[in-house]
Amino acid sequence: DVKVTQSSRYLVKRTGEKVFLECVQDMDHENMFWYRQDPGLGLRLIYFSYDVKMKEKGDIPEGYSVSREKKERFSLILESASTNQTSMYLCASRQGLVSGANVLTFGAGSRLTVL
Amino acid sequence: AQSVSQHNHHVILSEAASLELGCNYSYGGTVNLFWYVQYPGQHLQLLLKYFSGDPLVKGIKGFEAEFIKSKFSFNLRKPSVQWSDTAEYFCAVNPMDTGRRALTFGSGTRLQVQP
Repeated sequence: DVKVTQSSRYLVKRTGEKVFLECVQDMDHENMFWYRQDPGLGLRLIYFSYDVKMKEKGDIPEGYSVSREKKERFSLILESASTNQTSMYLCASRQGLVSGANVLTFGAGSRLTVL
Repeated sequence: AQSVSQHNHHVILSEAASLELGCNYSYGGTVNLFWYVQYPGQHLQLLLKYFSGDPLVKGIKGFEAEFIKSKFSFNLRKPSVQWSDTAEYFCAVNPMDTGRRALTFGSGTRLQVQP
């Protein structure tokens, strides 16, 4: 089974701090994603990467950046954390977009609190 | 922009009751459709998916969903729910013939099954 591992389950940061959320997948998947999950809003796409060093903005990229230097690792960066970025962050990966491969596998999530 | 609507935000049922959760999406072309489930304290996991072919798809744990293209709907059903079905359910859509390469999720439906 594909495993998607998010390095931090819970983080507490202060406003203005730089925050790194790390995600690693172990099945050579091409695509990786960062979503944030908020009550009543579902999952909203922040960024995704379709290949190493390739990225596309999602629906809510403001205040975030990403890095994908290696195929298995996709990092989400909050350059200057703000209280409205308090949320659950979910990383996901998939083999590709063609039918049959288009199934996301999610990590356990990283719950970030910004004080 | 594509959107996914889940009409029921919170559903409370007794065990053995039948379940139907609504999902409508706004995109008119070819789509891949998904239902994901998040049990308390667990990862999001795939419940079922539709790529093509038979519009009635079966998933895990006795769930099924029907794709009705004319209604842009992909409703989730289960004839008899169990207490263990208590979870949050997310519908998701991936348009397959646009530049959008990522899934768009609905806002989720929280299902509470009372014993």
